[in-house]
Amino acid sequence: NAGVMQNPRHLVRRRGQEARLRCSPMKGHSHVYWYRQLPEEGLKFMVYLQKENIIDESGMPKERFSAEFPKEGPSILRIQQVVRGDSAAYFCASNPGDTGELFFGEGSRLTVL
Amino acid sequence: QKEVEQNSGPLSVPEGAIASLNCTYSDRGSQSFFWYRQYSGKSPELIMFIYSNGDKEDGRFTAQLNKASQYVSLLIRDSQPSDSATYLCAVNTGGYNKLIFGAGTRLAVHP
Repeated sequence: NAGVMQNPRHLVRRRGQEARLRCSPMKGHSHVYWYRQLPEEGLKFMVYLQKENIIDESGMPKERFSAEFPKEGPSILRIQQVVRGDSAAYFCASNPGDTGELFFGEGSRLTVL
Repeated sequence: QKEVEQNSGPLSVPEGAIASLNCTYSDRGSQSFFWYRQYSGKSPELIMFIYSNGDKEDGRFTAQLNKASQYVSLLIRDSQPSDSATYLCAVNTGGYNKLIFGAGTRLAVHP
């Protein structure tokens, strides 16, 4: 069974460019969570999505960040006009909905030059 | 977001000793509690979860929960150098499975 798949694993962008991070949840999981981890810090919740619905985006910055989980295909975290402060590891996690634990992908590490 | 607090460490213990990792949380309504281990540059992996007051044991790991004191801990018996990692405490405070993480405690087990 494949785990949570994230790509790209590493992404380098220049300031002002766009970053798109993709996440395919584990088979049978319909709940996706995105977390951001800055160096030497814990995981900060960003957004929780189910298919075609954003359930909780309380951790998303108000500007430049958006997320979606379409009916078909992976969940996408999109960062427009990236700045150096966006450099971080972005982790996606999934959950089948009936248990509490989250299963994490390997993360996408964004570096903004 | 509700706060989850951990001592950042590093916590240094000799091989074979018991490592004790602690976590406090602020939301009395929290229902479930998780310990994740994260090696440097890797993703978090679940070690244990606990829902009820008391102890829960799984191999060398024991999770302890005291809801009255809003305190959860993880004990690692017979610590090994391979246990050296950052341990993240996570709390579920909502009606769905959104976890709030502490900043993590770095554990170093030395031979």
